[in-house]
Formats: sequence, structure tokens, C-alpha cells
Amino acid sequence: AQTVTQSQPEMSVQEAETVTLSCTYDTSENNYYLFWYKQPPSRQMILVIRQEAYKQQNATENRFSVNFQKAAKSFSLKISDSQLGDTAMYFCAFMKLPSGNTGKLIFGQGTTLQVKP
Amino acid sequence: DAGVIQSPRHEVTEMGQEVTLRCKPISGHDYLFWYRQTMMRGLELLIYFNNNVPIDDSGMPEDRFSAKMPNASFSTLKIQPSEPRDSAVYFCASSQQGSGNTIYFGEGSWLTVV
Repeated sequence: AQTVTQSQPEMSVQEAETVTLSCTYDTSENNYYLFWYKQPPSRQMILVIRQEAYKQQNATENRFSVNFQKAAKSFSLKISDSQLGDTAMYFCAFMKLPSGNTGKLIFGQGTTLQVKP
Repeated sequence: DAGVIQSPRHEVTEMGQEVTLRCKPISGHDYLFWYRQTMMRGLELLIYFNNNVPIDDSGMPEDRFSAKMPNASFSTLKIQPSEPRDSAVYFCASSQQGSGNTIYFGEGSWLTVV
């Protein structure tokens, strides 16, 4: 079975600084997707960034980027120029692709990030 | 696009009562998921549908829980009878095959059973 581990329950960063959230996963699959979701106090789950396992290039979305190390099964999220609105819980998630179809997301425990002014 | 729409947003009910949570997926999406979030267990998948057919219901905790998807634009998650340990945020989510497997979540239904 696949597992996702986020070893940092809580983190904080000063506004405008850079912070990196860690995520490791365990799988024997070769074809899968990885995601980072953000959950602000409103509780809504918002997709931050997505990475296909077959792509070597790290995904980037504006201030958000990932460091995907497939051999090490590591998928960290870097937030540059942190903003107060980035304060939220961040979830790393894994999706196996059964026969190329959409699969279910398996989530890590989450990391609570606080951006301080 | 309207996004995934869930109702009710909040519900407080007494133990033993029936609870029905509703979901309207994004138009054109062929996958629908029900997740539950609690402090103790985090986010866990309860069940998901593909083209209105349940594919995996292994996460449904017990017979008190049931889910249906009578058509492509509507799904329900029912708890009968409800218990205090069912208190959680229930998320509905949807995705479309071929869209990069991105799953879009609704705003959640916050259930409190007293």
C-alpha cells in the first residue's frame, strides 16, 4: 500500500522569506502523480501544484515550486516570497494510476504553515 | 465554472438521526469522490464513482454509511443512524479523465453529531 509522510507538523516563516515543506512517499509503482494541496482556515482544499512521475522537470506555479526526487521518493514544496495569505495547512498527496485512469488521492498528515508579518 | 457544490455547509444533528450530504460535481467530470477529514485520521477516501458507478467503497467505515450517484450531476452520502464519532468535515471532489488527473474539491460539509 502507498503511504505519504509529512514529517513537519508545523512550520513558520517570515513574510517575503522562502520556506520548504517536506514530503516523502512509499510506493512500488512507476506511474503516478504527486500533488500539494492548501487548506486555509476556510477548510476548502485548493490545488497548489501537480507533478507527473514520468517528468524529470520539476513543476513550477508562480511562487510555488517542487523538488521531485523520484529515486529518493521525495517531493518537497518550496514557497518563495511568502505572503500572509499562504498561511494554511499544506497536504502532500499521491495518486496511483490504475490502468492509466484517474485514481484516488492518498494524503499525508499535513503541515501547518504560519507566515508571520 | 461553478466548481464542486456541496450542501449543507454545516449541520448539527442529534445522535441517531439520519444525515444526508449532497454534492454536485463540476459539469463534464466523470469521477466523483467522497472524503472525510478528522483530526485523528486526517483525510481519508470513503468512496469514489466513475460514470456514476461505484469503483471503490473500501473506505466506507460501516453499514451506517451509504453513497449513491443517480446521475452525472448529483451524489449523496447518507449516514443512518449517525453517531458522535461521525463528526467530521466531509468533502466531495470531482475530476475528469484526461485533464491531468487533477481532483477538485468542494468547500466541504461540516457535520457535528451531538
